[in-house]
Amino acid sequence: GAGVSQTPSNKVTEKGKYVELRCDPISGHTALYWYRQSLGQGPEFLIYFQGTGAADDSGLPNDRFFAVRPEGSVSTLKIQRTERGDSAVYLCASSLGRGTDTQYFGPGTRLTVL
Amino acid sequence: GNSVTQMEGPVTLSEEAFLTINCTYTATGYPSLFWYVQYPGEGLQLLLKATKADDKGSNKGFEATYRKETTSFHLEKGSVQVSDSAVYFCALLANNNDMRFGAGTRLTVKP
Repeated sequence: GAGVSQTPSNKVTEKGKYVELRCDPISGHTALYWYRQSLGQGPEFLIYFQGTGAADDSGLPNDRFFAVRPEGSVSTLKIQRTERGDSAVYLCASSLGRGTDTQYFGPGTRLTVL
Repeated sequence: GNSVTQMEGPVTLSEEAFLTINCTYTATGYPSLFWYVQYPGEGLQLLLKATKADDKGSNKGFEATYRKETTSFHLEKGSVQVSDSAVYFCALLANNNDMRFGAGTRLTVKP
């Protein structure tokens, strides 16, 4: 069946610009997660949605980062006034529900801020 | 806070060699433990998992046992293949739904 999909696969932008990254979770998965993976590192947690609400946004690095999931399915990660340090691969994952369910990852969006 | 420490790479082995990648964790409560694999040019894939102490996860010839007494979840494979070349991530998931990953270990298997 269809896995988690993310668009775009690559995004190049200039410092100071606004970007949106999209995630389509596996159908029926109520939990959705965003992670950021810098080169040579493991993914770092950003935010977790259960349904439409952000249940835990403690990983967002600052207020330039924001994510929404208005209908409990697709999610958009929004980054304002991008900085070169935001360059990374942004990963989305989904799972059936809260707790210790297995998370299934998308291929990621590689963001490059020039 | 919760964290995972895994063996630094890169690891280079010959085909059919024995593989161990060490992983230890720090966590409150009773986390689930995972190994994810990232093949070149692909996304993270779940390799195996264990949800409670003494559970053994296994898949594709890889195994890892959840050892609460040593807070470890070491990944092993008896005979690696060239196709196992990838980056391996140990991870833990606690009740707060925050998955913590290790830094990853790059494995290269040479024919």
